[in-house]
Amino acid sequence: DIQMTQSPSSLSASVGDRVTITCRASQGISNYLAWFQQKPGKAPKSLIYAASSLQSGVPSKFSGSGSGTDFTLTISSLQPEDFATYYCQQYYSYPYTFGQGTKLEIK
Amino acid sequence: QLQLQESGPGLVKPSETLSLTCTVSGGSISSSSYFWGWIRQPPGKGLEWIGSIYYSGSTYYNPSLKSRVTISVDTSKNHLSLNLSSVTAADTAVYYCARLALHFLFYYYMDVWGKGTTVTVSS
Repeated sequence: DIQMTQSPSSLSASVGDRVTITCRASQGISNYLAWFQQKPGKAPKSLIYAASSLQSGVPSKFSGSGSGTDFTLTISSLQPEDFATYYCQQYYSYPYTFGQGTKLEIK
Repeated sequence: QLQLQESGPGLVKPSETLSLTCTVSGGSISSSSYFWGWIRQPPGKGLEWIGSIYYSGSTYYNPSLKSRVTISVDTSKNHLSLNLSSVTAADTAVYYCARLALHFLFYYYMDVWGKGTTVTVSS
């Protein structure tokens, strides 16, 4: 199985800040990587696929980059609604695997 | 607008079979452009992919659950189903169904999720 490791596991930031979350795969996955946002008690929401392609309806404040084993999710100009848990997920090979999550909290 | 709705018993006894249904509305489960899948999340923990199915019936399962999982699709009812046998407390989780859209060739990503349904395994 491909292991997905996110860092940091938690992050405190202020409204208006720009933050970056990192996701590392245990082996190369090309650009077959997705990012999700999950708020408490809600289902995950698709943000990005193909490492850098924005899902329809997702604001451009979210951006992704990377290829191979190292990926990043950047959120600019944080707003209160952006504080949530973020997951990366590889769909390069079965079984699909997720990172452990990064909890973004308000400072 | 595509919507997915999970349904099934919220409480299952240990050693029994967990059975859930995901009803698809606003789109056809028979579309050749999509796979459909199940994902679960134990309380306070991360996400685990259970398996995926194409409308033709082709399935892919997580090896960690493969001996206990069956995913099926009913195109006439526009829904997919999950059966997980011999459940234990470790199977207590929120279960989500999702649509998987084609990225490239045979690589599919999860783009639409249901709201999830909570299943507790307890006697």
